[in-house]
Amino acid sequence: AQTVTQSQPEMSVQEAETVTLSCTYDTSESDYYLFWYKQPPSRQMILVIRQEAYKQQNATENRFSVNFQKAAKSFSLKISDSQLGDAAMYFCAYSSNAGGTSYGKLTFGQGTILTVHP
Amino acid sequence: ETGVTQTPRHLVMGMTNKKSLKCEQHLGHNAMYWYKQSAKKPLELMFVYNFKEQTENNSVPSRFSPECPNSSHLFLHLHTLQPEDSALYLCASSQAWADPGYNEQFFGPGTRLTVL
Repeated sequence: AQTVTQSQPEMSVQEAETVTLSCTYDTSESDYYLFWYKQPPSRQMILVIRQEAYKQQNATENRFSVNFQKAAKSFSLKISDSQLGDAAMYFCAYSSNAGGTSYGKLTFGQGTILTVHP
Repeated sequence: ETGVTQTPRHLVMGMTNKKSLKCEQHLGHNAMYWYKQSAKKPLELMFVYNFKEQTENNSVPSRFSPECPNSSHLFLHLHTLQPEDSALYLCASSQAWADPGYNEQFFGPGTRLTVL
């Protein structure tokens, strides 16, 4: 079974600064996807960014980018030019593309609470 | 209404009560999910429905009973719960059997459940 670990329960950053959230995962599969989801205080979780395991290029979405290290099974999220609206809980998630009963299911990490200071 | 909606947003119940949580998606999806979110723990997948058929029951106690009458609606019936069942219950939907990389799950705002 796959596991996802977020070792930072809480992080903080000054507005306009850059912060990196860490995520590691464990899997024996070679074909999978990784995601970062954001859950603001209002609780509606939204997708921030996705990464396909067979793509070496790191995904980027505006101020959000990832550092995907497949051999190290590491998937960190970098938020540049942090804004007050970035304050939320961030979840790293894994999805298998290998077929079978795990196909398409999301396995989440414990989450990291990000605080943005003005 | 757009996206995924959940009602009620907050629920307090005693251990002998029976209540139901409701989820509705307006996205044309055909897969729906129930998750449990407890403090300091990863989201726990409880149930998955694809095309109204339950395809996953993640060893959930029988005091939680899901129902999916159609692809747009999902219920979670609760009876004789325990205080440790207090949590945020999230509903999500997606397109069943689509490429997982693009099978984004859309979440509802959740129901905050407190069991006394």
